Amino acid sequence: QKEVEQNSGPLSVPEGAIASLNCTYSDRGSQSFFWYRQYSGKSPELIMSIYSNGDKEDGRFTAQLNKASQYVSLLIRDSQPSDSATYLCAVPNAGNNRKLIWGLGTSLAVNP
Amino acid sequence: EAGVVQSPRYKIIEKKQPVAFWCNPISGHNTLYWYLQNLGQGPELLIRYENEEAVDDSQLPKDRFSAERLKGVDSTLKIQPAELGDSAVYLCASSPGLGGEQYFGPGTRLTVT
Repeated sequence: QKEVEQNSGPLSVPEGAIASLNCTYSDRGSQSFFWYRQYSGKSPELIMSIYSNGDKEDGRFTAQLNKASQYVSLLIRDSQPSDSATYLCAVPNAGNNRKLIWGLGTSLAVNP
Repeated sequence: EAGVVQSPRYKIIEKKQPVAFWCNPISGHNTLYWYLQNLGQGPELLIRYENEEAVDDSQLPKDRFSAERLKGVDSTLKIQPAELGDSAVYLCASSPGLGGEQYFGPGTRLTVT
C-alpha cells in the first residue's frame, strides 16, 4: 500500500514565525511532489511542486525534498494569518504519475 | 486562463433521489479527475479520464455512480439513487498530464437528507 503521511496538527505558530510542514512517502520511485493549500470550505490549490533533491523557493514558501529519506517539507517564512489553512501533500504513483496519492493534510493556524 | 468550472456549487436532495454534477476542465487538459472529499480527509479518487476514456474507475461505486466524458472535454458524474453516506464535496480536477500536477474546480457540496 503506497502511502503519504502527514501530521494532522493543528500546528499553531505566531504571526511572523516560520511554519514547518512535513510529509513522508513510501514509494521510492516517486519523482515529483506537490503541496496544496486548502482553505476551509474551498478546494485544494496547488502552491508548490518539486522534482529534484534540495530546496525550491517561491516567495515566502520553500519546498525541501530528500529522496533518500523519503520526505518532503514545506516551510512558510514570515507566516501570516492568511496562511491559516490545511496543507495537503500529494505524491504521484511512481508507476503512473497521473494518479496522486494524498496525505490527510496538516492544519496550520497562524495567530496574530 | 479560465480555471476548472463545476456546477452546481451546492445541492441538497433527499435520499433515493438522483443527482448530477457537471465539470468543464481547463482548456487543453486531456486528463480529468472526479474526487470525493469528506471533512478532514484528503481527496479520494473516484474516476480518471484520459480524453474520453475512463482509465481508472476502480474506486467508483458502480452500482449507483456513473460518469461520462463525451468528446473528451466536459464531464458529468451521476449518483442514482443517492444515500445519506454520499454527503460530501465532489471535486473535479484536470491536468495537462505532463508532470502530474492537478488543478481543482470549486467543488460541489452535496447534502443528502
